[in-house]
Amino acid sequence: KAGVTQTPRYLIKTRGQQVTLSCSPISGHRSVSWYQQTPGQGLQFLFEYFSETQRNKGNFPGRFSGRQFSNSRSEMNVSTLELGDSALYLCASSLLSSYNSPLHFGNGTRLTVT
Amino acid sequence: KQEVTQIPAALSVPEGENLVLNCSFTDSAIYNLQWFRQDPGKGLTSLLLIQSSQREQTSGRLNASLDKSSGRSTLYIAASQPGDSATYLCAVDSRDSTLTFGKGTMLLVSP
Repeated sequence: KAGVTQTPRYLIKTRGQQVTLSCSPISGHRSVSWYQQTPGQGLQFLFEYFSETQRNKGNFPGRFSGRQFSNSRSEMNVSTLELGDSALYLCASSLLSSYNSPLHFGNGTRLTVT
Repeated sequence: KQEVTQIPAALSVPEGENLVLNCSFTDSAIYNLQWFRQDPGKGLTSLLLIQSSQREQTSGRLNASLDKSSGRSTLYIAASQPGDSATYLCAVDSRDSTLTFGKGTMLLVSP
């Protein structure tokens, strides 16, 4: 069974640009959640989608948005990039709610904003 | 707001030693607690998930305990091996907030 796939693996963008990250969950998993990991703040929850609906959202500005498609694939978009958005962005999938079954993580997208 | 603390931040042990990693949380109203490992440049691998009604979970050389009333969890690793070297994170799913992670314990097991 294929794991969680995140593309691209690395990304370099300039301040003010926007970026879209993609996540393909494990087949059959309906929940996809996104996290930002930085050395200073650690891992922080961005949002969770379940059956195309956003179920929960972390404490991030509106520049961070996401969506989930009918095949459970998810995208995350960050608009008007800032230097502080440089981070490892991780996606995780789970069979049901992310809080009732183990999370399976992808290897992440490393975003660098210059 | 839930806060999760992991102690120690880093740990170095010789191969074969048994060790304990600690995780504490401030709000005991939780659904579950999960332990993960993260290898450099990689995502997280789920190790153990303990539901709020459970006291412990075991998988191979790993044993995780949960004491909700005191806001503590421990991850016990028996007979450590160099392949266990990684960062270990705990994450708490709280009833009134989102999934909250600790900052991790970086473990180095030397041959």
